[in-house]
Amino acid sequence: NAGVTQTPKFRILKIGQSMTLQCAQDMNHNYMYWYRQDPGMGLKLIYYSVGAGITDKGEVPNGYNVSRSTTEDFPLRLELAAPSQTSVYFCASSYSFRESEQYFGPGTRLTVT
Amino acid sequence: TQLLEQSPQFLSIQEGENLTVYCNSSSVFSSLQWYRQEPGEGPVLLVTVVTGGEVKKLKRLTFQFGDARKDSSLHITAAQPGDTGLYLCAGRRTGAGSYQLTFGKGTKLSVIP
Repeated sequence: NAGVTQTPKFRILKIGQSMTLQCAQDMNHNYMYWYRQDPGMGLKLIYYSVGAGITDKGEVPNGYNVSRSTTEDFPLRLELAAPSQTSVYFCASSYSFRESEQYFGPGTRLTVT
Repeated sequence: TQLLEQSPQFLSIQEGENLTVYCNSSSVFSSLQWYRQEPGEGPVLLVTVVTGGEVKKLKRLTFQFGDARKDSSLHITAAQPGDTGLYLCAGRRTGAGSYQLTFGKGTKLSVIP
């Protein structure tokens, strides 16, 4: 099992550009999440999904969009990138959202200049 | 408003010393998790505590959930260089918002050989 995979590992964007961060999991988990981690700030939830076709906003959704067409994939779209979106982005998945473990991908380090 | 306060933010100790990391809140959580994150990687779950007053041990690591389920601590006995990393606590709220984990800002631990 590869677990949770994310691409790309690093990316530099210019202000106003768009991009999609890819996330895939092979554990057949229904629940998937996108977080951003800023230095000294912990992880903030951007969007989450409870299954294919179902997504909802987390704590910091502005400037982002998601889709979930399959159980495996949960891409995060950045439209009109801004310097405030410079961060490390983590995708995670879990079997349920109660006490179960969230499995994290290795992250994508994004810089917007 | 930071819902989960972790302290200390940074900790540098000698190999063999003991340490305690704290995670405090004014809110009640249905469960609390501790994750460890190494540079360039995603967080990895160490433990989940669910019951007020619960104590769990993982080799040299002891986790405690407060009686009122508002706080938690992580105690490491005889720290090793391999314990170096960022320790994150994450609480799951009760009621509305229970779908998401709230992360603390983390404690960055360095164990010097």
